[in-house]
Order: sequence, then structure tokens, then C-alpha cells
Amino acid sequence: NFMLTQPHSVSESPGKTVTISCTRSSGSIASNYVQWYQQRPGSSPTTVIYEDNQRPSGVPDRFSGSIDSSSNSASLTISGLKTEDEADYYCQSYDSSNHVFGTGTKVTVL
Amino acid sequence: EVQLVESGGGLVQPGGSLRLSCAASGFTFSSYWMHWVRQAPGKGLVWVSRINSDGSSTSYADSVKGRFTISRDNAKNTLYLQMNSLRAEDTAVYYCARFNLILGELVQGWFDPWGQGTLVTVSS
Repeated sequence: NFMLTQPHSVSESPGKTVTISCTRSSGSIASNYVQWYQQRPGSSPTTVIYEDNQRPSGVPDRFSGSIDSSSNSASLTISGLKTEDEADYYCQSYDSSNHVFGTGTKVTVL
Repeated sequence: EVQLVESGGGLVQPGGSLRLSCAASGFTFSSYWMHWVRQAPGKGLVWVSRINSDGSSTSYADSVKGRFTISRDNAKNTLYLQMNSLRAEDTAVYYCARFNLILGELVQGWFDPWGQGTLVTVSS
């Protein structure tokens, strides 16, 4: 099995941009799709990105996803930060019947 | 409105058993694979188990294999997780989630929506 490693926390001011990385420990990041979930305090997770870079309906285009094979990582970028974006974010991917979640990143909007 | 509502959590002693349920509404339950994901207090998300749409195929994380059993009743629009031989490390909020297959894929997709979760505490 592989692991997905994320930074523990990131913080930025409203209106700014943050990027969260998700690094795959073994196997190619490009071999399986990556999803991103947002979990606000006390709430269940919701999807912000699926299939590497697709946004579900209702998710603002301030959220974007990408894959970088050179660093074997995926990234979630949130632009125009709002206070409502303060939450935990988890990447997720799949391999050999296992669905693996990243370690999670706490985003703080200062 | 698409909705998933879990129930059945509670306090159980180590070695005990518990059965979780997840009632689905607002979509054709029998058309979707379903999953269980758990989250220990203050920790991250961990995948537990999945079942295909007609219940004929299941898969488990190594940490619960042989102890947990996932099942479903499509006539009742309900997903289950039978948990036996519970351990302290099984303490977590358990979420059920609908699995949305990516177009053209057989096993890859995303979890949405998620239920509100049900807390399982394993302690003496």
C-alpha cells in the first residue's frame, strides 16, 4: 500500500491563495485519480475536486486541482480565500482495492 | 434530496459487537456502490470497507478484515456494517458514503454524499 502525505497546516489571509500538496509514497500519482475533500469543524466531508481536477456542481471555481508527475504529487489550490474555506482538507486516491486518504491539512484563514 | 443517515453507534466493551446502519434516500440506492469510512477522534479519514451495487462483492481494509462485515438490503435502501471483536483502536466516527464512479472507470470514483456519522466508542 502507498501513503499520501500532506502538510499538517497552512495559513493565509483572506483574498490570498493557498496550495496544498499531496505526495504519493510509491507508485505513480498519475496512475489513479485523485480526489479532494473539505471537512469543516463538526461536519462531514464534502467533495471539492474529483478526477484530479473536476469540480462538482456548486463548488466555486476558486478551487482547482492538478497533478505533477515530476514530484509525484497532487495539489489543491484555493484562490481568493474566504473565511468559510477554513477547514481540514484531505486528498484521496486508489490502488489495488484500497482507497487511501491523505494525512489531512488544516487551512486557517487569518 | 440525497441523504444518508447512520445509526447504531454507541459504547461497547473490547471484544464486543455492534451493527451500524445507514439509511439512504433521494437516489436509486441499488445502483450505487457504498462505502464505510471512519475517523478516530482528532484524526484523519480512513477507508474501512465497500460493497458493490448488488451486494455480491465486498472489500475491506486490512485492519478490519475478518472482524467486520459489510452488507446491504436494497429493498430497504439500507447499508450495514457488522463489527465484531471490537478493539479500542476501532473507536471512531463511522461514515457511510455513496461512491460515484468516474465515467469509463470500473473501480475509481469519489465519495459523495457522506452521512452525518455515528460514534463508536470501544472501552471498558
